[in-house]
Amino acid sequence: EADIYQTPRYLVIGTGKKITLECSQTMGHDKMYWYQQDPGMELHLIHYSYGVNSTEKGDLSSESTVSRIRTEHFPLTLESARPSHTSQYLCASSRSKTGGGETQYFGPGTRLLVL
Amino acid sequence: AQSVTQLGSHVSVSEGALVLLRCNYSSSVPPYLFWYVQYPNQGLQLLLKYTTGATLVKGINGFEAEFKKSETSFHLTKPSAHMSDAAEYFCAVSLSGNTGKLIFGQGTTLQVKP
Repeated sequence: EADIYQTPRYLVIGTGKKITLECSQTMGHDKMYWYQQDPGMELHLIHYSYGVNSTEKGDLSSESTVSRIRTEHFPLTLESARPSHTSQYLCASSRSKTGGGETQYFGPGTRLLVL
Repeated sequence: AQSVTQLGSHVSVSEGALVLLRCNYSSSVPPYLFWYVQYPNQGLQLLLKYTTGATLVKGINGFEAEFKKSETSFHLTKPSAHMSDAAEYFCAVSLSGNTGKLIFGQGTTLQVKP
């Protein structure tokens, strides 16, 4: 059983507010990821991290930012939420494996609605 | 560039019938392939994965998939569907190298009718 947590699970917020989505894992994984998923659609990688103080933008452009100050924690921040940010955000983590093929473990997701 | 195509965004089967969810990939190097399942309002859970070795991979909940290099396919099957199998299923390919990054298909919604 993978131990990766996301809070809040659901968030309804007004336009212009600053929000932070929390993601924590207790497995000691070095790599962490944020995906954006619209209803019935595929997952798009928006941020990833290979370790502490390492962050990279993913394949889908996003106005959000991330930080990785501790191994277990990978929060995502939106400075000014807009209705276009309404989506589900999934956090995942994995342990590096020589040669690749590592498994990503996912949190339960945060459903964000910006009014 | 690597990519994944899942044929059929919706698949409907009767309880007890064979489940077949199709996945084709594009990769210039031998890929690592994954199937994940997503239940409503939850994250993704790994069903099975292919890395190396045996091309028929068995996963959880009675699912299995076969890696066919000549067909660039990794179809997911289950001999007998249960109501509890109703969910969204995602095929994914791992990028070459050691990035750990995944490319996901569009997903297939499996409906199981009583």
